[in-house]
Amino acid sequence: NAGVTQTPKFHILKTGQSMTLQCAQDMNHGYMSWYRQDPGMGLRLIYYSAAAGTTDKEVPNGYNVSRLNTEDFPLRLVSAAPSQTSVYLCASSYPEQGRVRNEQFFGPGTRLTVL
Amino acid sequence: AQSVAQPEDQVNVAEGNPLTVKCTYSVSGNPYLFWYVQYPNRGLQFLLKYITGDNLVKGSYGFEAEFNKSQTSFHLKKPSALVSDSALYFCAVRPPFVKAAGNKLTFGGGTRVLVKP
Repeated sequence: NAGVTQTPKFHILKTGQSMTLQCAQDMNHGYMSWYRQDPGMGLRLIYYSAAAGTTDKEVPNGYNVSRLNTEDFPLRLVSAAPSQTSVYLCASSYPEQGRVRNEQFFGPGTRLTVL
Repeated sequence: AQSVAQPEDQVNVAEGNPLTVKCTYSVSGNPYLFWYVQYPNRGLQFLLKYITGDNLVKGSYGFEAEFNKSQTSFHLKKPSALVSDSALYFCAVRPPFVKAAGNKLTFGGGTRVLVKP
């Protein structure tokens, strides 16, 4: 098992550009989520998906996701802003109904800089 | 709304000494509590969790945590710290099963642990 994989590891964007961060998992997990990690702020949830075909957002602007299948959960920055400079972490776990109370598995992260 | 506080930005400890990383939480109902560790340039790794039962939970790498409901705390402990324990530690909470909530975690700000030889 590769677990949760994320690409790219690093990227630099200019303000206003768009980009898609890739996340994939091979553990057949129903639940997937995106967090951003900023110094002193911990991790903050951006988007989550309880199953393929469903998504819900926590942060109102600047991001978009899709969940076309179980494995992939890409995060799109629509028009990048310097405030979106961060480390983005993708996570997956079994859904509540299938495996209650299970921990989330995290990918290695994508370090994104918006100039 | 749920929240997690890690009051110490950094904890310094000598190798071989006990290590404690503090965490307090606020959540409605009985919480699910987690500790994660992040080693340099790596993703978060699960250490341990409290769901129900014994208040003392044992996890990976010799770590344990004690759930204290009256103090709403879930402090992480290790009896004898190693230099390799130097990392960033995160406490996280989620409320009991609520269908719409999925598996959303709320994280604390993190505590950097530095273990000196």
